[in-house]
Amino acid sequence: GQQVMQIPQYQHVQEGEDFTTYCNSSTTLSNIQWYKQRPGGHPVFLIQLVKSGEVKKQKRLTFQFGEAKKNSSLHITATQTTDVGTYFCAGPESGGYQKVTFGIGTKLQVIP
Amino acid sequence: DTGVSQNPRHKITKRGQNVTFRCDPISEHNRLYWYRQTLGQGPEFLTYFQNEAQLEKSRLLSDRFSAERPKGSFSTLEIQRTEQGDSAMYLCASSFDTGHQPQHFGDGTRLSIL
Repeated sequence: GQQVMQIPQYQHVQEGEDFTTYCNSSTTLSNIQWYKQRPGGHPVFLIQLVKSGEVKKQKRLTFQFGEAKKNSSLHITATQTTDVGTYFCAGPESGGYQKVTFGIGTKLQVIP
Repeated sequence: DTGVSQNPRHKITKRGQNVTFRCDPISEHNRLYWYRQTLGQGPEFLTYFQNEAQLEKSRLLSDRFSAERPKGSFSTLEIQRTEQGDSAMYLCASSFDTGHQPQHFGDGTRLSIL
């Protein structure tokens, strides 16, 4: 079955440093979604990328979807303590039903 | 839009007991998903409904797990003869049914098996 892998699993950064998490799927994805889960909270949708090579920005967050639609990245510029949480990528396989497979997540800790 | 609501928030039960969780999705959403999440892991897909039809069920899900969405609105997830390994956060999410829509999650039900 489809596997979605994320690296790193944990990342500690000094406040103000940049952060990047990478997501790789074993199969081609029709789209990639990114979610953020704060400690004690539930996953919250951040963004969806659909097109091959697509890049989207949300303030300090930059999301990329690979040309082959099998990988993606999330880059945060100048991290803040409010960025703390676990970032998940998730993607449905191309075609078929709407089952979405989540990655294991990257837990970001920002040191003030 | 009151969001996705899950009840109860916490459930503590003895091994071998049956438990049932409820999820009320966002009212306009046709799709409803159940996930299980353990510490340090991402949400693990359990099952998915389009209106009242259960379209997919994880092969990892044993026969002790069953889910229903009888009228295409709220859903219930039942676990029979609970085991220690069932301890987890059970998350419900809902979405629209056009294309691949983002999912809106509830706060989850945390199940602890004694």
